[in-house]
Amino acid sequence: EVQLVESGGGLVKPGGSLRLSCAASGFTFSSYSMNWVRQAPGKGLEWVSSISSSSSYIYYADSVKGRFTISRDNAKNSLYLQMNSLRAEDTAVYYCARTAGYCSSTSCYEFHAFDIWGQGTMVTVSS
Amino acid sequence: QSALTQPASVSGSPGQSITISCTGTSSDVGGYNYVSWYQQHPGKAPKLMIYDVSNRPSGVSNRFSGSKSGNTASLTISGLQAEDEADYYCSSYTSSSTLHVFGTGTKVTVL
Repeated sequence: EVQLVESGGGLVKPGGSLRLSCAASGFTFSSYSMNWVRQAPGKGLEWVSSISSSSSYIYYADSVKGRFTISRDNAKNSLYLQMNSLRAEDTAVYYCARTAGYCSSTSCYEFHAFDIWGQGTMVTVSS
Repeated sequence: QSALTQPASVSGSPGQSITISCTGTSSDVGGYNYVSWYQQHPGKAPKLMIYDVSNRPSGVSNRFSGSKSGNTASLTISGLQAEDEADYYCSSYTSSSTLHVFGTGTKVTVL
């Protein structure tokens, strides 16, 4: 079964740090770009960050640039989000999501969409 | 990068068709055929319903269809069913440095 499981959320004080993890299973993790998407309580979805399959390309939303760092370990089938200098407005459920795509015998093709999502992990920034 | 604009709510009776709009700019929706749509039930993770404007992933009902005209994309749900009651979000690739942008979200109510 294709699955993503996030962990590492919790309560942290403003200015603090937290590291989220996402464990992937059921697919060839190293072939797919991965993403973090967040959702503040009662609000809409917000794309946070993306990382390519080999970590060559990394992108961030302006709201987290310079504070958050996305990374991955293909040997461990894991995605990470290091969050520093946390603010109250970072309070949200954080989802990891796989970039949709497929691989043939010779190459892989990606769609600009997110086809597999984890259940989310809650991050609360409050004093 | 501002969020794409969606109506806050859309409603319809069982069996009817409804359409949700998603308006962006020439830097996102209008510039690329990379619009996707997601369904989210309360307390659940989003589910991909449409990608690349009008393509349905395997397993998604053909009652869901997508289209685009200019800077506005649309999701149509035909034969509305009680299980379609959920929040729906559009998303688009964007040429800005942020790569992806989501819509403001639309709550669909089945009357």
